[in-house]
Amino acid sequence: KAGVTQTPRYLIKTRGQQVTLSCSPISGHRSVSWYQQTPGQGLQFLFEYFSETQRNKGNFPGRFSGRQFSNSRSEMNVSTLELGDSALYLCASSPWEGQYLAGANVLTFGAGSRLTVL
Amino acid sequence: GENVEQHPSTLSVQEGDSAVIKCTYSDSASNYFPWYKQELGKRPQLIIDIRSNVGEKKDQRIAVTLNKTAKHFSLHITETQPEDSAVYFCAARIQGAQKLVFGQGTRLTINP
Repeated sequence: KAGVTQTPRYLIKTRGQQVTLSCSPISGHRSVSWYQQTPGQGLQFLFEYFSETQRNKGNFPGRFSGRQFSNSRSEMNVSTLELGDSALYLCASSPWEGQYLAGANVLTFGAGSRLTVL
Repeated sequence: GENVEQHPSTLSVQEGDSAVIKCTYSDSASNYFPWYKQELGKRPQLIIDIRSNVGEKKDQRIAVTLNKTAKHFSLHITETQPEDSAVYFCAARIQGAQKLVFGQGTRLTINP
């Protein structure tokens, strides 16, 4: 079974630009979550999608947005980039269905997209 | 909102000794507590998890304990080996939400 795939792995942008990151979950997983990882703030939740609907959202400004497609693939977008947006953006997928069953909650992370804003 | 405090931020132990990392959560509605290991330059990987209806869980050299009353949980690694060196993150999930709140991480170094 292929793991969680994120593209691109590395990218460099300048302030004011926008960026779109892509995530393909494990086959059969319908929940996709996004996390931002920085040395100072650790791992912070951005949002979670299930069946094309955003179910949970973290405390990030509206410049951060996302969506999920019918095949469960997800994208996140950051507009008007700021220097502080430089981070590793991690996508994670989980089965979620039958949430009280063993394994349903387990998040499997992708390798991440490392964004540098200059 | 939910907050997770993790201690210590760094931990150095001799190979073969035990390591303990502790986390405290704030929301009593949290019901799922995973631990992730992240090696340098790699993705976080789940090493063990525990649900709120269980007090302890063990998997070979790794164990996790949960005290719901005190709202804290701990990771125990016995007979540490050099490959245990990594950053370890605890997390808590609120019931009904697929959203993890992570601790700040513990950098564990195993000295040969």
